[in-house]
Amino acid sequence: AQSVAQPEDQVNVAEGNPLTVKCTYSVSGNPYLFWYVQYPNRGLQFLLKYITGDNLVKGSYGFEAEFNKSQTSFHLKKPSALVSDSALYFCAVRMDSSYKLIFGSGTRLLVRP
Amino acid sequence: EAGVAQSPRYKIIEKRQSVAFWCNPISGHATLYWYQQILGQGPKLLIQFQNNGVVDDSQLPKDRFSAERLKGVDSTLKIQPAKLEDSAVYLCASSVGTSAEQYFGPGTRLTVT
Repeated sequence: AQSVAQPEDQVNVAEGNPLTVKCTYSVSGNPYLFWYVQYPNRGLQFLLKYITGDNLVKGSYGFEAEFNKSQTSFHLKKPSALVSDSALYFCAVRMDSSYKLIFGSGTRLLVRP
Repeated sequence: EAGVAQSPRYKIIEKRQSVAFWCNPISGHATLYWYQQILGQGPKLLIQFQNNGVVDDSQLPKDRFSAERLKGVDSTLKIQPAKLEDSAVYLCASSVGTSAEQYFGPGTRLTVT
């Protein structure tokens, strides 16, 4: 069965420092991987996706994610965090043979000034 | 481009009452999804439509939940009768196709007392 794990409930980082939000997955086929961000009282916003090709994927708002097949990970990164990046981040996965998106439990990112 | 619209944004009802949520997807998006997001968890797919047909409703509690998308555009999700454990945010999403990224509406926060 497909599953996604976000091992950290919360990540704290100072503004200007690099940030990483971790995600690992488990699927039996080729994974399609996604990152979404959720601001308070708003729906999820698409950040980036990995389907195939280059393992480093660049997305919205300066975020990027690295697909690592051997470690079954898809960590979200940003070189320099902003206070406005503070939000709830969700990793999601689906198999290439399926349409169903499975979400992780979310990681709250707090960027302090 | 207008996003996914949902109404109402908030709803408070007593258990055993009924409630309905409405969703209007992005124009031209054939695929529509309803998710349930319980506090502290990632969204869970309830039902997926392709045009006006149901693709997957395997996690929809069919004894109390129903959904329709009669003309292949907007959709309604109904709960009757509601239980306390139905308290959650109900998210609607749409995509161009089943393999494309999903765009989410702001959600309806349901509180069942």
